[in-house]
Amino acid sequence: EVQLLESGGGLVQPGGSLRLSCAASGFTFSSYAMSWVRQAPGKGLEWVSHINSRGATTYYADSVKGRFTISRDNSKDTLYLQMNSLRAEDTAVYYCAKSAAMSGWYFDYWGQGTLFTVSS
Amino acid sequence: EIVMTQSPATLSVSPGERATLSCRASQSVSSNLAWYQQKPGQAPRLLIYGAFTKATGIPARFSGSGSGTEFTLTISSLQSEDFAVYYCQQYNNWPYTFGQGTKLDIE
Repeated sequence: EVQLLESGGGLVQPGGSLRLSCAASGFTFSSYAMSWVRQAPGKGLEWVSHINSRGATTYYADSVKGRFTISRDNSKDTLYLQMNSLRAEDTAVYYCAKSAAMSGWYFDYWGQGTLFTVSS
Repeated sequence: EIVMTQSPATLSVSPGERATLSCRASQSVSSNLAWYQQKPGQAPRLLIYGAFTKATGIPARFSGSGSGTEFTLTISSLQSEDFAVYYCQQYNNWPYTFGQGTKLDIE
């Protein structure tokens, strides 16, 4: 059974930093691209960042480019999102999502999400 | 960036009736279109990919159609568990983009 378990949420002050983690199990993690998708309170889904299966290719939404860094450790089956210079508008539930292929494609499995709030 | 527009924003339908949800892309996404269902407090769940292929375990009452810029999700006979928010997503071009969602309400 595929499982994705996010962690690292909480309360952060504007301008602060936070790192989210997503522990994967039930599939060959190193064979699939992964993404982070977020959902602000009461809003829709926004794709945030993508990393291919080997970690060689990354993409970012314009809203987070230069502030967020996606990475993965295939030896630990774990996906990360380092978030710096946080803003109030980054407040959201952050989901890690497994892509259906090595280089991307639709999201066939999602974690339960982790919430963090940017507020002073 | 490809803009995905869903309509209507809210759809009120009675159980047992048919629901038709629309999704339009600002430029062609070929058949690289997925539909997700999200219930309150839960993560999204993949329903349809490739515009019309049902994901594993998805009931036959769900069907997808369309290509290019116009897509439709049809639920043939609504069950109580189908009342949720539905999102379309294109994965033809980066950045991948979602529609704003259609909320399916019980009438």
